[in-house]
Amino acid sequence: KQEVTQIPAALSVPEGENLVLNCSFTDSAIYNLQWFRQDPGKGLTSLLLIQSSQREQTSGRLNASLDKSSGRSTLYIAASQPGDSATYLCALRARENQGGKLIFGQGTELSVKP
Amino acid sequence: GAVVSQHPSRVICKSGTSVKIECRSLDFQATTMFWYRQFPKQSLMLMATSNEGSKATYEQGVEKDKFLINHASLTLSTLTVTSAHPEDSSFYICSARVGHGGYTFGSGTRLTVV
Repeated sequence: KQEVTQIPAALSVPEGENLVLNCSFTDSAIYNLQWFRQDPGKGLTSLLLIQSSQREQTSGRLNASLDKSSGRSTLYIAASQPGDSATYLCALRARENQGGKLIFGQGTELSVKP
Repeated sequence: GAVVSQHPSRVICKSGTSVKIECRSLDFQATTMFWYRQFPKQSLMLMATSNEGSKATYEQGVEKDKFLINHASLTLSTLTVTSAHPEDSSFYICSARVGHGGYTFGSGTRLTVV
């Protein structure tokens, strides 16, 4: 059974710092992996989508990598800002998942201090 | 980009009443809609998958008679919480699959049953 784990559960950093959020999964047979951001009481905003055949995706200050062999994905945030404070969730779609269901990690709650 | 509009954003209802939550895909056709539930400080839990024109598929442990899902058109899916109880209070979010395997989410509905 595929399991997705995010470490750490919470992270507090000073403004301007570069940081890495981790997502690990137990089964490398994935279809794709997506990183989301969730602000308190809000829905999810898609940040980056990495297909199974890709190694990384970049958008602005964000870079997500995917290493299926080691069962890991990382989200790199450069020059963090207070506005980056939110919960970050990784979710993957398993390859055998014909229904298209996503499997979510528990999330990392990020706080960027001014 | 693909947008899913979810309403209401917040609702308070009395125990024993029913509440309907709507999700509309605004600029695309959503043949499949996913309904999630989220408890405070926890990740998303998939409740059911709805396909346009057919019965929803519920996850194990989710009462299909309590959480009625209707997906009558390619742009509208609804979740009705019937005979609501305080333990049904939660954050409910819908999601639809979009091009290239990604997913877009509604803004969520905070349900409080008093």
